[in-house]
Amino acid sequence: SQQGEEDPQALSIQEGENATMNCSYKTSINNLQWYRQNSGRGLVHLILIRSNEREKHSGRLRVTLDTSKKSSSLLITASRAADTASYFCATVVANSGAGSYQLTFGKGTKLSVIP
Amino acid sequence: GAGVSQTPSNKVTEKGKYVELRCDPISGHTALYWYRQSLGQGPEFLIYFQGTGAADDSGLPNDRFFAVRPEGSVSTLKIQRTERGDSAVYLCASSLMGLATDTQYFGPGTRLTVL
Repeated sequence: SQQGEEDPQALSIQEGENATMNCSYKTSINNLQWYRQNSGRGLVHLILIRSNEREKHSGRLRVTLDTSKKSSSLLITASRAADTASYFCATVVANSGAGSYQLTFGKGTKLSVIP
Repeated sequence: GAGVSQTPSNKVTEKGKYVELRCDPISGHTALYWYRQSLGQGPEFLIYFQGTGAADDSGLPNDRFFAVRPEGSVSTLKIQRTERGDSAVYLCASSLMGLATDTQYFGPGTRLTVL
């Protein structure tokens, strides 16, 4: 089952504008990660934010986490045409029975950046 | 260094046939994961290996699915008596030790089509 829900499902913006994607989840997490996927194939890890962190930056990416609301947002500033891709949030939850951690992905936001 | 590789990149088979999908993780990564991604959805966890053992197989949908990693490196996902609903992109990922904060590196996936 999928825990995360991204919003919006699709987003179209002009190059240079900022893009904001949101993610909500249901259970307690160890950390939350954002991934990017081009053309429905391999995913690329973008950024990880731990459950005790509220904000994290990496280049043009800014991620926030609100554990009280069980939500996160990804902001891409000064977007470029090359940012066109699908973006997924993934929560990391412990499977205590197996002693392991699972990544649970949402359905993703499809971002189109128009040159 | 080389990333995660998967073969074949595409596989077309007939309903009822047996298929094997292969994953070559990053050298030195002890953790290996299989995911399945249906059209318009995020990846769904199938199974996690730590070394040679399947530490968590809670995501396997039924007993037609099986995976092995006999020497702790290459893994094979095996699907018996394929059904049309098995059509999806099968993604493999590896991480250094399988810790909650480890980055998972994804392969390009195998697109399986069951006719």
